[in-house]
Amino acid sequence: QKEVEQNSGPLSVPEGAIASLNCTYSDRGSQSFFWYRQYSGKSPELIMSIYSNGDKEDGRFTAQLNKASQYVSLLIRDSQPSDSATYLCAVKDRDDKIIFGKGTRLHILP
Amino acid sequence: DGGITQSPKYLFRKEGQNVTLSCEQNLNHDAMYWYRQDPGQGLRLIYYSQIVNDFQKGDIAEGYSVSREKKESFPLTVTSAQKNPTAFYLCASSMGQGGNTEAFFGQGTRLTVV
Repeated sequence: QKEVEQNSGPLSVPEGAIASLNCTYSDRGSQSFFWYRQYSGKSPELIMSIYSNGDKEDGRFTAQLNKASQYVSLLIRDSQPSDSATYLCAVKDRDDKIIFGKGTRLHILP
Repeated sequence: DGGITQSPKYLFRKEGQNVTLSCEQNLNHDAMYWYRQDPGQGLRLIYYSQIVNDFQKGDIAEGYSVSREKKESFPLTVTSAQKNPTAFYLCASSMGQGGNTEAFFGQGTRLTVV
């Protein structure tokens, strides 16, 4: 069974610091990689998508992909209290199947 | 407004009843998905569909059924065979293969068995 693994946390980071979230996946045939943010009681919101090896930056967010290591990460710079949420890593395979990790709870300390 | 609409937002079901959750999208997306989320847990895939009149089982399809008769609609029926249906149900859609493949979510339906 294809799996996506994340540390459940909680990850506590001081306000203004860099938060680093990690994810590994089992299926080498995976094509697309996503990070979602989910606030309690709400549906997931797409933050970043990445399709090729390397870094992709969007504002305070940077996604990193290493297909050889089957590893995806998300960096959040200048962390704000509003960044406190659960971050879900998701992986899409060649059959359009999207598998989610269990999520990492991030807590930004004021 | 383009988007994904799930209804109802809250649903109560008596034990032994079938209920159907609605999911409609006007994004012209080919692929649609249903997930279940339990408290403090991640999203588990129930069913997904890449194209009209076709769908595949996800990891937890037992006790659920779907149809995809129209591109914009992907209803989920929770049958009486699903022993523990109380959960947050999320529908998503994406362009599918060959295009932007990000999946976008509806607002969810919270189902409670009473």
